[in-house]
Amino acid sequence: EVQLVESGGGLVKPEGSLRLSCAASGFTVTDAWMSWVRQAPGKGLEWVGRIASKPDGGTSDYAAPVKGRFTISREDSKNTLYLQMNSLKTEDTAVYYCTTDGGTHWGQGTLVTVSS
Amino acid sequence: QSALTQPASVSGSPGQSITISCTGTSSDVGGYNYVSWYQQHPGKAPKLIISDVSSRPSGVSTRFSGSKSGNTASLTISGLQAEDEADYYCSSYSSSNTRVFGGGTKLTVL
Repeated sequence: EVQLVESGGGLVKPEGSLRLSCAASGFTVTDAWMSWVRQAPGKGLEWVGRIASKPDGGTSDYAAPVKGRFTISREDSKNTLYLQMNSLKTEDTAVYYCTTDGGTHWGQGTLVTVSS
Repeated sequence: QSALTQPASVSGSPGQSITISCTGTSSDVGGYNYVSWYQQHPGKAPKLIISDVSSRPSGVSTRFSGSKSGNTASLTISGLQAEDEADYYCSSYSSSNTRVFGGGTKLTVL
């Protein structure tokens, strides 16, 4: 059974950094295209970015609001996906979900609050 | 990239059919057959109900169907049931290897 479990959320000050983790089971993240999607409180879904599978080159793409500040990576030995978030802004406050790129599987989400 | 346009809300009575539209541009909805639809109940993660414009993942009710014409995709739910009350989001692959979501539609079953 495929399972995705996010962790690492919390309260961080503006301009701070945070790294989210997404532990996968039931499949190998190395071989999957993976995405991060966020949802601000009471708002809609927003695509954050994705990373291609290793066989397909492992490149990553990002939405304009986070490009240059966020980085998606993988740690194959831990079968885990990461989202490194730097220079955080108040508007980055949201629940962050990791998902297989096709959207079939989602984690439960982890809340990131950016506030002074 | 701008969000896709969805109606903020739709409603219907049990047993009826409703359709939710999702309008984009030739750079996203109109340019690719990679439109997905998600159902989200309060406090829960989204659930994929339609992929690639009109494909239903295993286990999704046949009451859900998707289509596309030009720059507009549509989700139709037939035989409305109380448990269909939820938020619905469309998503499309977009140029520059990105994805874009719609603003979401709140479905109320009267």
